[in-house]
Amino acid sequence: ILNVEQSPQSLHVQEGDSTNFTCSFPSSNFYALHWYRWETAKSPEALFVMTLNGDEKKKGRISATLNTKEGYSYLYIKGSQPEDSATYLCAFSGARDDKIIFGKGTRLHILP
Amino acid sequence: NAGVTQTPKFRVLKTGQSMTLLCAQDMNHEYMYWYRQDPGMGLRLIHYSVGEGTTAKGEVPDGYNVSRLKKQNFLLGLESAAPSQTSVYFCASKDGGELFFGEGSRLTVL
Repeated sequence: ILNVEQSPQSLHVQEGDSTNFTCSFPSSNFYALHWYRWETAKSPEALFVMTLNGDEKKKGRISATLNTKEGYSYLYIKGSQPEDSATYLCAFSGARDDKIIFGKGTRLHILP
Repeated sequence: NAGVTQTPKFRVLKTGQSMTLLCAQDMNHEYMYWYRQDPGMGLRLIHYSVGEGTTAKGEVPDGYNVSRLKKQNFLLGLESAAPSQTSVYFCASKDGGELFFGEGSRLTVL
């Protein structure tokens, strides 16, 4: 059974502050690690798909890093804005099959 | 510019009834996935397909069947619905990278 863990489950951050959260995944048979942003009443939308150890990706104020040897990825948000309030999901796919398994998400609340 | 379309969007069933959820994508993607979303559980993989004519089990396949007779369509069937299958169902497709999701189908089983 693949175990994809995200922490924390929920996070309250003051507007303007920076924050980060973690995704941990199996370090063996790695193929790709995905990050998605999921707003209430909408569908998840992709932020990043990372495949190489040491990968760093950036989209505006959001960035992510990947460590496949130890099985973790960090998502960073710089200067949080109200529109960043959402659930952030990570998902792991392994080399042996094409399953994409999600963590339970980190629910981010931006306080004005 | 439809992307991934799920039908129906809402459905109420009685225990024991059967139904089929349809997922259609117009992006010529090879891979298609069915997930269910329950409070506190994130997205759990039910079944997936790596191409026309293929299907495989995910994390929670029991009580569901799937078919991929055409590349653009991935059907999720409930043969005998149970209250435990009350959920929001998401379909997604991909080619090489990210998943593209449909808008979800809310199913209630009474």
